[in-house]
Amino acid sequence: QVQLQQSGPGLVKSSQTLSLTCAISGDSVSSNSAAWNWIRQSPSRGLEWLGRTYYRSKWYNDYAVSVKSRMTINPDTSKNQFSLQLNSVIPEDTAVYYCAREGYNTMDVWGQGTTVTVSS
Amino acid sequence: QSALTQPRSVSGSPGQSVTISCTGTSSDVGGYNYVSWFQQHPGRAPKFMIYDVTKRPSGVPDRFSGSKSGNTASLTISGLQAEDEADYYCCSYAGGYIYVFGTGTKVTVL
Repeated sequence: QVQLQQSGPGLVKSSQTLSLTCAISGDSVSSNSAAWNWIRQSPSRGLEWLGRTYYRSKWYNDYAVSVKSRMTINPDTSKNQFSLQLNSVIPEDTAVYYCAREGYNTMDVWGQGTTVTVSS
Repeated sequence: QSALTQPRSVSGSPGQSVTISCTGTSSDVGGYNYVSWFQQHPGRAPKFMIYDVTKRPSGVPDRFSGSKSGNTASLTISGLQAEDEADYYCCSYAGGYIYVFGTGTKVTVL
């Protein structure tokens, strides 16, 4: 059974960097058939796909246009986890952030969610 | 990339059927058979209920079904039950290695 466990701070100051980690159990971040995603949810923006990392003989990353210039997703094979870094955060980045595995052409396993508040 | 359009709310009595629509464009819903549906109860992470437009993962009751016509996908819940009261979101692959979610629909069991 695949499980994702998120960790990271719930409060970040404006202009600083938001960093979250998603630890994987029951699968591998280096899997050739899965991808590892970050999604956020807020009352104003609903569910918003942010980006993903995946391995297909080499590492790839894809990002939503809305965050592409500020976001980095990195795999950590030594710890079997992946992370999100969002730079220069603003109050509008306040949301519940989820990590999720992509299988079955969709997000089939989700983390528990992390509520992140950006203070001005 | 704009969010897919869903009705804000739908409701039905126990045992009835409800259908939730999800309207996109030819660049997302209409262009790919990679539409999925999620159920979300308050305070919980979304749970995937349908993938590849019509397929149900194991453990999802067969009263949940999906379909698609043109740029609009639909989720039908037949034999509505109290535990089906939740928010539902559609999601579609949108090309260029990105995904887009729907605006969400609140299902109320009367």
